[in-house]
Amino acid sequence: SAVISQKPSRDICQRGTSLTIQCQVDSQVTMMFWYRQQPGQSLTLIATANQGSEATYESGFVIDKFPISRPNLTFSTLTVSNMSPEDSSIYLCSVETGLNTEAFFGQGTRLTVV
Amino acid sequence: KQEVTQIPAALSVPEGENLVLNCSFTDSAIYNLQWFRQDPGKGLTSLLLIQSSQREQTSGRLNASLDKSSGRSTLYIAASQPGDSATYLCAVGGSQGNLIFGKGTKLSVKP
Repeated sequence: SAVISQKPSRDICQRGTSLTIQCQVDSQVTMMFWYRQQPGQSLTLIATANQGSEATYESGFVIDKFPISRPNLTFSTLTVSNMSPEDSSIYLCSVETGLNTEAFFGQGTRLTVV
Repeated sequence: KQEVTQIPAALSVPEGENLVLNCSFTDSAIYNLQWFRQDPGKGLTSLLLIQSSQREQTSGRLNASLDKSSGRSTLYIAASQPGDSATYLCAVGGSQGNLIFGKGTKLSVKP
């Protein structure tokens, strides 16, 4: 299993600003993902955070808007840049200890943009 | 493109009832299927993971089945309790470890 600490748990931000979300895992993991859950919607994968290389983004998500860092096997950050009210969502970090294994999630960051 | 659908969107039952939550997916080429529970402000908790070669998994009062050929999974909850009230999410796993989620079923168990 894996225990994930995600910070902040919630924030209210002004439009046009940026917020960086941190994800810390208690053990080294190979696979790390960032998801978004818009109000009333299912979770959608933003990107796969790759250790030592650029993140792999899903269709509809771009690096300039959602830059991701993963400096080591236990830590990653997601930045939501130049925020607008449409970015108001829950952002979740997820890890898997190996391919085709159980996924573990952080408690999420509830972002409100005003 | 894989799509995951969960029915019903919401369900309210009296305590003690057995219930079934349904999940369907459009592409049978999945690596696994997972059921999660989501509580407000607490992220997602993994309930059951079914590998693509398996037919079902059980954990306590929970039993999940998988029929890849028909693109269906069910989550059976026996003897429901008020503490089971939450949103239940179904997700199918792809080749890169990513998950594709349904919108969830919001369950309310009344005392």
